Amino acid sequence: QSVLTQPPSVSGAPGQRVTISCTGSSSNIGAAYDVHWYQQLPGTAPKLLISDNSNRPSGVPDRFSGSKSGTSASLAITGLQAEDEADYYCQSYDSSLSGYVFGTGTKVTVL
Amino acid sequence: QVQLVESGGGVVQPGRSLRLSCAASGFTFSNYGMHWVRQAPGKGLEWVATIWYDGSYKYYADSVKGRFTISRDNSKNTLYLQMNSLRVEDTAGYYCAKDPSGGGSPGWFDPWGQGTLVTVSS
Repeated sequence: QSVLTQPPSVSGAPGQRVTISCTGSSSNIGAAYDVHWYQQLPGTAPKLLISDNSNRPSGVPDRFSGSKSGTSASLAITGLQAEDEADYYCQSYDSSLSGYVFGTGTKVTVL
Repeated sequence: QVQLVESGGGVVQPGRSLRLSCAASGFTFSNYGMHWVRQAPGKGLEWVATIWYDGSYKYYADSVKGRFTISRDNSKNTLYLQMNSLRVEDTAGYYCAKDPSGGGSPGWFDPWGQGTLVTVSS
């Protein structure tokens, strides 16, 4: 079972801003392990969107931004576009499990 | 460019075995840790296993520990996942992914292969 909790879904109209939360605990995000975010378009493999809490890999639009505070992290999408409709996952490391953990996933719908 | 291509998936009966492969190209494979991640149909992502760049250290999710073995052949630029005693709940798409370093420091997964589907059913 996932140890990082995300809202099942978020939605917004084109051009709006949406945020996705990722809530962990003292053994993962709260233990200063970095948070990374992935975008999974329908029928495709996940793609790295944000690394180390807030770094955008080359090619990722600056509409995507990440932040982390305490035991939580968040992904923001500004200027929402139809092509952003996808599933989004956060990921970190958990010292109690001695392994990597993913969030429960959030489906973004563009209205 | 970095490319990862999985193979070896298929339909297998519960209790049987299967070996997945991941062929890597476009980078110096022997310098990087590698991972397996799976996704059950319609479900979220689940980390499965990690191996360091030289194969010296491996670690597994509790759900597969003792049944699955991750390995690599750096001379063939290939990552493997040996899956034994397969269960219905192991049914999933299996992805291999590259670590940003040798594997010793927790990081991210990038890029991912296209995945290979494993179906465990009688």
